Amino acid sequence: NAGVTQTPKFQVLKTGQSMTLQCAQDMNHNSMYWYRQDPGMGLRLIYYSASEGTTDKGEVPNGYNVSRLNKREFSLRLESAAPSQTSVYFCASKLEGGYMYSPLHFGNGTRLTVT
Amino acid sequence: QKEVEQNSGPLSVPEGAIASLNCTYSDRVSQSFFWYRQYSGKSPELIMSIYSNGDKEDGRFTAQLNKASQYVSLLIRDSQPSDSATYLCAVMGNYGGSQGNLIFGKGTKLSVKP
Repeated sequence: NAGVTQTPKFQVLKTGQSMTLQCAQDMNHNSMYWYRQDPGMGLRLIYYSASEGTTDKGEVPNGYNVSRLNKREFSLRLESAAPSQTSVYFCASKLEGGYMYSPLHFGNGTRLTVT
Repeated sequence: QKEVEQNSGPLSVPEGAIASLNCTYSDRVSQSFFWYRQYSGKSPELIMSIYSNGDKEDGRFTAQLNKASQYVSLLIRDSQPSDSATYLCAVMGNYGGSQGNLIFGKGTKLSVKP
């Protein structure tokens, strides 16, 4: 049981380049999330998908787009990368978005550097 | 924006001591609370969840919740060097865009000295 799988693990981009971060979960979870983690800022929610077919903005959505491709997969796209997007990105999932007993399960993270 | 506050530390305790990690939250109607442990360069992993006032014990870990004071804590008994990590407090949001989403504190870095 792989849980939440993210690819790639590391990426270096030049300013203005685009890329897509991939995430897949095999736990049959309905809700999926993208967070970024920066020193001193904690985990901040970028976008989430409460269920297949829906996506919503989180706390810091600017500069990002997402696609919930199916129940398993949720991708994050940077259309024109900026140095401010240098961060560690975590994908996470949980069984039900509003279910109070449902904790988040995290992927291993993608460390992105934009030069 | 609902907030979750933690002392950033670092909190340093000797091996074998009790480590006490604290968290306060601003949303009075929050119902679900979680503690995650994050080793350097790794992803957060869930170690405790608590939903009712009082204490919940799991091995060397005890979570304590006081909804009236909007306070949740994590006690680690018999602290080991392997407990050295950043501990993240998370609270489930209840309103608007945060409904059902976890709001994280910035974490407390714990160092257990041999």
